[in-house]
Amino acid sequence: QSALTQPASVSGSPGQSIAISCTGTSSDVGDFRYVSWYQQHPGKAPKLMISDVTYRPSGVSDRFSGSKSGNTASLTISGLQAEDEADYYCSSYTASTVVFGGGTKLTVL
Amino acid sequence: EVQLVESGGGLVKTGGSLRLSCAASGFTFNNAWMNWVRQAPGKGLEWVGRVKNIAPGGPTDYAAPVKGRFTISRDDSTTTLYLQMNSLKTEDTAVYYCASDLAKYGSGEFDYWGQGTLVTVSS
Repeated sequence: QSALTQPASVSGSPGQSIAISCTGTSSDVGDFRYVSWYQQHPGKAPKLMISDVTYRPSGVSDRFSGSKSGNTASLTISGLQAEDEADYYCSSYTASTVVFGGGTKLTVL
Repeated sequence: EVQLVESGGGLVKTGGSLRLSCAASGFTFNNAWMNWVRQAPGKGLEWVGRVKNIAPGGPTDYAAPVKGRFTISRDDSTTTLYLQMNSLKTEDTAVYYCASDLAKYGSGEFDYWGQGTLVTVSS
C-alpha cells in the first residue's frame, strides 16, 4: 500500500487560509469515508483534528475543516494562527490496513 | 481519562529482538482495536499493524514492511498491548506509538495516542 501524497510544505500569514491536499486512489481515499487528519508539533504525539472526512472531534477549533472529492481529500485552516505551525498528516482506512500521507509542514509566516 | 503508556524501547543490534508494551487505562480495553504506529527520525507516520477486539488475542493485520517479523498481541486481563519485534533492521529505527480508534473501532481514525517509545537499531 503506497503512502498518500501530500505537498511537503505550505505557508501562510496570520489570518489567512490555507489548504493541504491529500491524494490517494480508488482503493483508499476514494473508496472509504474514514479519512482523517492529524496535527503534530515537534516532539509530541499526533492529535486527531478531522475524522470521517469532515467531522471535528470535540475540542478542535472550527477553523479546521475537511473535504473530499474523488481520490483527493483536503484540510483547510482558516484564520491562521502562530500555534497552527506544525506537521499535518492525512490518513485513510483501506480494506485491511491504514495508510498515512507523507506529511506537510505548515509554516506561519 | 484515557491513558496509553508505552515502554520497552531502547538500543538493539540488527537481527535482534525487542518487545514493546503499551499499558492502557481509562476505557474498556477488551472492546478496543489497538494499533502500533511508528515514526522514523525526521520522517512521517507509518502504520505498523493492529489487533482486533475478538478474544482471545484477536485477529491481526500488519503493514508489508513488518509482516512476518513483528507480532502484535494483547492481554485483556492486564489491559496491555504488545509488539514483539524480531529480525530487526536499521530501517525499523523509529518512535513507536500505541494508538486506538475508540470513537469508531476499526476505523483507523486514532483519537488516542501514547507518548511513544524510541527504538534504535544499529549495526
